[in-house]
Amino acid sequence: GEDVEQSLFLSVREGDSSVINCTYTDSSSTYLYWYKQEPGAGLQLLTYIFSNMDMKQDQRLTVLLNKKDKHLSLRIADTQTGDSAIYFCAEKRGKGNKLVFGAGTILRVKS
Amino acid sequence: DGGITQSPKYLFRKEGQNVTLSCEQNLNHDAMYWYRQDPGQGLRLIYYSQIVNDFQKGDIAEGYSVSREKKESFPLTVTSAQKNPTAFYLCASSWAPGNTEAFFGQGTRLTVV
Repeated sequence: GEDVEQSLFLSVREGDSSVINCTYTDSSSTYLYWYKQEPGAGLQLLTYIFSNMDMKQDQRLTVLLNKKDKHLSLRIADTQTGDSAIYFCAEKRGKGNKLVFGAGTILRVKS
Repeated sequence: DGGITQSPKYLFRKEGQNVTLSCEQNLNHDAMYWYRQDPGQGLRLIYYSQIVNDFQKGDIAEGYSVSREKKESFPLTVTSAQKNPTAFYLCASSWAPGNTEAFFGQGTRLTVV
């Protein structure tokens, strides 16, 4: 199975908040990331959090990190149809600073 | 404009042929990476390079080869030994190890016909 786990699908109504969850396994990870992928495109970095932080807010995005439980979440406030995409959680680990990705969560926003 | 460019966007290959995917960046990044994406799976690391003339195998390197002769370029060759090469391939780059952000190209979709 995946070392980084995410739920596969989330559906929300436009204007509601979306919360995408992720669990990871490597307690020595230094950075944790959220990437967005639109159909047929590469990945776009949304935000990241350093492992000694427990929260980071950036406009409509809020990242929460529970290091004890190795749980990361991304909250999108006032979700818009343009937020429909696949969202990947990733952790940076190891000497080579490899990025290890989850399988991605498909976010569908209904108008 | 600074960025990372992959070409071509779509590539078709006959079984038994080698094919090379291009990745170029003008961000002056030291580290470059190749990932493979399959439906319903996360990105899996094929190869990565932290400096010119050096590279390491990732988690699924079998059937692939790379070179890093120039800082700007990290081409990936999918050889005939790769049993299931049809996938979406993503290249990324970042500053030296420890930096926070990796920038991704737009991807190449490889289909074996």
